[in-house]
Amino acid sequence: EVQLVESGGGLVQPGGSLRLSCAASGFTFSSYWMHWVRQAPGKGLVWVSRINGDGGFMNYADSVKGRFTISRDNAKNTLYLQMNSLRAEDTAVYYCARDFNSGYWGQGTLVTVSS
Amino acid sequence: QSVLTQPPSVSAAPGQKVTISCSGSSSNIGNNYVSWYQQLPGTAPKLLIYENNKRPSGIPDRFSGSKSGTSATLGITGLQTGDEADYYCAAWDGSLSAYVFGTGTKVTVL
Repeated sequence: EVQLVESGGGLVQPGGSLRLSCAASGFTFSSYWMHWVRQAPGKGLVWVSRINGDGGFMNYADSVKGRFTISRDNAKNTLYLQMNSLRAEDTAVYYCARDFNSGYWGQGTLVTVSS
Repeated sequence: QSVLTQPPSVSAAPGQKVTISCSGSSSNIGNNYVSWYQQLPGTAPKLLIYENNKRPSGIPDRFSGSKSGTSATLGITGLQTGDEADYYCAAWDGSLSAYVFGTGTKVTVL
């Protein structure tokens, strides 16, 4: 059974940093693109970033470019999102998802940026 | 600011049909596949349609997708109270090198 479990969310002050993790199981992790998607409270879905199977190619939304870094450890079957210089507008539930044709998403982890 | 535009809400009585439109451009819908998601309150999005009109295993054929030019449409027939949710379209945007979601549509069963 495919499972994606996010962790690492929490309360952080503006300008601070946080690293999210997404533990994957039930499939050959290194074979798939992985994505991060976020959803601010009461708002719609916003794509954040993606990374290919071997970790050599990444894309980012303009709103996070230069502040967020996506990475993966295929030996640990884990996806990461390093978030720096956090702003209030980064407050959201962050979901990890496998390739978008598969429909596999995690349950999300809440990041709150506030002083 | 989403580049895919959806109506904010649609509604119909149980058993009826609704359609949700998703309008984009040649850089996204016009040249890439469209997916559709259903999101119930407090839950992760659920994939309903991928590659314009394909249903994942377990998705009933009451849900259908189509695409024409730079627009796509999700259809839901035999509307049920359990279909009350937010629905989002999505596609890769080649100009932005980013995946884009629609503005979202709330479906209400009257």
